[in-house]
Amino acid sequence: SQQGEEDPQALSIQEGENATMNCSYKTSINNLQWYRQNSGRGLVHLILIRSNEREKHSGRLRVTLDTSKKSSSLLITASRAADTASYFCATDGTGRRALTFGSGTRLQVQP
Amino acid sequence: DAGVTQSPTHLIKTRGQQVTLRCSPKSGHDTVSWYQQALGQGPQFIFQYYEEEERQRGNFPDRFSGHQFPNYSSELNVNALLLGDSALYLCASSPGDRNSPLHFGNGTRLTVT
Repeated sequence: SQQGEEDPQALSIQEGENATMNCSYKTSINNLQWYRQNSGRGLVHLILIRSNEREKHSGRLRVTLDTSKKSSSLLITASRAADTASYFCATDGTGRRALTFGSGTRLQVQP
Repeated sequence: DAGVTQSPTHLIKTRGQQVTLRCSPKSGHDTVSWYQQALGQGPQFIFQYYEEEERQRGNFPDRFSGHQFPNYSSELNVNALLLGDSALYLCASSPGDRNSPLHFGNGTRLTVT
């Protein structure tokens, strides 16, 4: 079973637009991470936000975390065609050292 | 500095057969996790190895087993293959700190016919 669920499942935007994807999870967490996966390849870590943090930035990425709502969002600003990929949130938690991944958002950026 | 390497990249097996997948972690990493990713789905946690012991296991049957060697490399074994075992199998390594990100290999694509 998936701990997290991303929303939307698929997103198509034009180059230069912003892309926002959301993640909801079910149990308490220590941290939440976002990963990117190009088709048929391994996942690449993007950003980690700890449970006591509310917002974090890395380049064109902005992540927010609301532990009261058990949700997170990933914003990619000024998207590029190369951002086309699937994006997954992942959490660990009390008694769970291993990361549990959501079902992912498939982002298509049209040039 | 090599990242996580997995072998083979692709594999075709027949239902009922057994398969072994291999993973070499990133240099300096002592923890290896295995994930199964079905087409269009997120990775599902199989198990994690640390200090040659299985530290945590996901909801997978005993047909799935693993091993970690003293050099931290790892194997995933699947017995009595089913059609539903067809998936991308991903290995990820980390330095063991629970706040460290996972480093993934490019996976082994297993097809069971």
